[in-house]
Amino acid sequence: AQTVTQSQPEMSVQEAETVTLSCTYDTSESNYYLFWYKQPPSRQMILVIRQEAYKQQNATENRFSVNFQKAAKSFSLKISDSQLGDTAMYFCAFMKLAMYSGGGADGLTFGKGTHLIIQP
Amino acid sequence: DAGVIQSPRHEVTEMGQEVTLRCKPISGHDYLFWYRQTMMRGLELLIYFNNNVPIDDSGMPEDRFSAKMPNASFSTLKIQPSEPRDSAVYFCASSSFGQPQHFGDGTRLSIL
Repeated sequence: AQTVTQSQPEMSVQEAETVTLSCTYDTSESNYYLFWYKQPPSRQMILVIRQEAYKQQNATENRFSVNFQKAAKSFSLKISDSQLGDTAMYFCAFMKLAMYSGGGADGLTFGKGTHLIIQP
Repeated sequence: DAGVIQSPRHEVTEMGQEVTLRCKPISGHDYLFWYRQTMMRGLELLIYFNNNVPIDDSGMPEDRFSAKMPNASFSTLKIQPSEPRDSAVYFCASSSFGQPQHFGDGTRLSIL
């Protein structure tokens, strides 16, 4: 079974600052995906970024980037030039590739989340 | 494009009643997932389907919970009889092969 750990229950930064959210995971799988999802107060689950484990290059999406350290089983999210709209819960999630469904998808294992507050 | 559609958005009912949550996945997606979110346990996978067939239901908490997917565009999660500890937000998500999961807006269920 996989586990995902987010060690920062809450973080607060000033607008325009850079912030890094931590995530570590434990697995014996070699092929998997990692994700960051954002959940604002509206409770929507919004995909922020994803990383395939076989790719060495870190994923980036505009102001969002990850630092993926496969050997250390670490997957941190960096948000640059933070904005008020970034205030939300952020969840790190792990998905192994399921052999019994053709390797296409499996359920997500989530961390407990980090509540990020961007102060004006 | 329409996203994942869940209904109802909120449900309040009394203990012992049957509850049915509904989900319409994104057209063309062949995976459908049901998750539950609580303060104590966070986000947990309950069950998922591939091509309408249940693949992994190990997260379904008890026999009181059941899920069906009669066709590619509809799924239900049923709780019978409901208990106060079933109060949570229930999410449905869908995806296609190798793609991220897209979530619905969730159903907030309150069992009194």
